[in-house]
Amino acid sequence: DAKTTQPPSMDCAEGRAANLPCNHSTISGNEYVYWYRQIHSQGPQYIIHGLKNNETNEMASLIITEDRKSSTLILPHATLRDTAVYYCIVRAPNFGNEKLTFGTGTRLTIIP
Amino acid sequence: NAGVTQTPKFQVLKTGQSMTLQCAQDMNHNSMYWYRQDPGMGLRLIYYSASEGTTDKGEVPNGYNVSRLNKREFSLRLESAAPSQTSVYFCASNSGGAAYQPQHFGDGTRLSIL
Repeated sequence: DAKTTQPPSMDCAEGRAANLPCNHSTISGNEYVYWYRQIHSQGPQYIIHGLKNNETNEMASLIITEDRKSSTLILPHATLRDTAVYYCIVRAPNFGNEKLTFGTGTRLTIIP
Repeated sequence: NAGVTQTPKFQVLKTGQSMTLQCAQDMNHNSMYWYRQDPGMGLRLIYYSASEGTTDKGEVPNGYNVSRLNKREFSLRLESAAPSQTSVYFCASNSGGAAYQPQHFGDGTRLSIL
C-alpha cells in the first residue's frame, strides 16, 4: 500500500467548502484512493473512492491530480455534522477482501 | 436497518481473564473484519474472513483468535487478556464482487483490561 500524508488538523467555517488534501507520491498504477471518516469514536464511514478520474457522490467530491501523486476530498457545504477524522487510504483493490490500513488522518473541525 | 451489530459495547476485564467479542451483520456480506483502535491512532486490522469457513491474520493478530461461526457472525476471542489489549474494537463487513464495495462498521466495543 502506498504511504499517505495528511495534515493532522484543519478548520472550516460552516457552509463553506472543506478541502482535505492527501499526498501519495508513491502510488502505483493499479492503486485506488479511498476516503473514510470517523465521527467521534463511531465506526468509520465510507465516503468515496477513485482511480484517476474525478469522482462525485452525494457526500463529497474527489479530485485526483493528473500525475495521481495527490488528491483532495471536497465537502461542498460543510455542516457541523461533518466534524470528524478523515482518512485517506491508497491501496490496490482486492474486492471483498479489503485489508484497509488507517493512518492517523485529518481531524476536521467545522466552526459555527 | 441494523447493519453491523457488536456486543458488548463496554467491558472491563482483569488481566488473565478471557472474553469473546461478538459481531453480526444482516447485509448478507461475504467478508468480515476485526480492527482495533488505540487512543489517538488509526485502526489496525487484527483478523479477517473473506468467506464463511475461512479466516486470515491481519496486521496485529497476536493474542487473539477468531471464529467465523456462519455467514452472519464473526467473533473475536481474547484467551488471556493483557493491559496492552485495552482498546476499542471494531467489526466491519463488505460483500465481494467485481466492483468495490465499501466496508460497513459497527459502533465498537470499548474494552479495558486492568
